[in-house]
Amino acid sequence: GENVEQHPSTLSVQEGDSAVIKCTYSDSASNYFPWYKQELGKGPQLIIDIRSNVGEKKDQRIAVTLNKTAKHFSLHITETQPEDSAVYFCAASKGSSGYALNFGKGTSLLVTP
Amino acid sequence: KAGVTQTPRYLIKTRGQQVTLSCSPISGHRSVSWYQQTPGQGLQFLFEYFSETQRNKGNFPGRFSGRQFSNSRSEMNVSTLELGDSALYLCASSPSEGHEQYFGPGTRLTVT
Repeated sequence: GENVEQHPSTLSVQEGDSAVIKCTYSDSASNYFPWYKQELGKGPQLIIDIRSNVGEKKDQRIAVTLNKTAKHFSLHITETQPEDSAVYFCAASKGSSGYALNFGKGTSLLVTP
Repeated sequence: KAGVTQTPRYLIKTRGQQVTLSCSPISGHRSVSWYQQTPGQGLQFLFEYFSETQRNKGNFPGRFSGRQFSNSRSEMNVSTLELGDSALYLCASSPSEGHEQYFGPGTRLTVT
């Protein structure tokens, strides 16, 4: 089955700096790649997603890039703020016979003032 | 629109018992998926329901089951609980034809 690897597992940045989280996937049939933010005591929140026919997508301070050849996608957060501190998960899905998400293990991001 | 709601939020059960968790999807969403989240295994897919039919199933034992009702609300059941079933159980709903999944706050199950 699909295997999603996520790095780094922890990331600490100064407020205002950029943060980058990287994921790789194994199944070339995967065609949908969402990113989720999970704060303590809450469910994962969808923050951005990208489909396999697009190489890059941006939403304000957040951007995602996808390299289908390398089976690699990344989350970029610019001008980080303390409220960006959370655990971030990448996921991959094939969209065949349903939309099961295969998640990475998560990155704990800490933004210090 | 109201988000995904899950009840109960917290649950304590004894090994060997069974438990039923409930999920109400976002209004208009017809697909409901369930995930188990643990510190060791992370987020793992349990099953997905669409129009009352199980469309996809993860790699979990038969003790884990679910169903979906005609109003899209869903329940999952775990029978013969084991200590390892302690986890946060998350429900997510999707629009009919899209991939986007929106999660609820989860039910924290503790098995003692």
